[in-house]
Amino acid sequence: NAGVTQTPKFQVLKTGQSMTLQCAQDMNHEYMSWYRQDPGMGLRLIHYSVGAGITDQGEVPNGYNVSRSTTEDFPLRLLSAAPSQTSVYFCASSGRQARDTQYFGPGTRLTVL
Amino acid sequence: AQKVTQAQTEISVVEKEDVTLDCVYETRDTTYYLFWYKQPPSGELVFLIRRNSFDEQNEISGRYSWNFQKSTSSFNFTITASQVVDSAVYFCALRGDNYGQNFVFGPGTRLSVLP
Repeated sequence: NAGVTQTPKFQVLKTGQSMTLQCAQDMNHEYMSWYRQDPGMGLRLIHYSVGAGITDQGEVPNGYNVSRSTTEDFPLRLLSAAPSQTSVYFCASSGRQARDTQYFGPGTRLTVL
Repeated sequence: AQKVTQAQTEISVVEKEDVTLDCVYETRDTTYYLFWYKQPPSGELVFLIRRNSFDEQNEISGRYSWNFQKSTSSFNFTITASQVVDSAVYFCALRGDNYGQNFVFGPGTRLSVLP
């Protein structure tokens, strides 16, 4: 039981490049989300999904796209990377009920030059 | 709207001292859940505890204890006899009762336990 996995662990991009951060979970969780955490800061919600085929914007969605074609996978796409997107990105999953705990992946540290 | 406040940005204590991390929340939901997470220097986010809005019993787990007071909308976390390994950022979070409701996180409290 791997829980929530994220790849890659580290990534360096040049301004204007695009890339996809991968996230997968094996707990059959319906709810998945992406957060970014800037140095010394808290967690900000980028996008979330309450089930396959359903996604919605969080607090800071600009510059990011998501899709949810399966229950297990929730990739985050950076369309045209900017230095302001330098951050640590966490994927998380939980059941949809209020009582369900959210579990986090190990994070991806992204640097945009 | 839902909100979580952790007024203490940073706390430093000396090993073996007790320390309390404050969490105050706002919600209009009748049923909701509160969570604490720990983020050690290695960076991962570790779930510590979940508490529902109908259970105001305090909880103790080893050196950790949690005090939930609905009357003051607080869910405070106390570490007894702190250790260096407790040094981390601690996040309090709230989840309301709407199906698929997002988690609302506080800004976190950075705890440094000095030897």
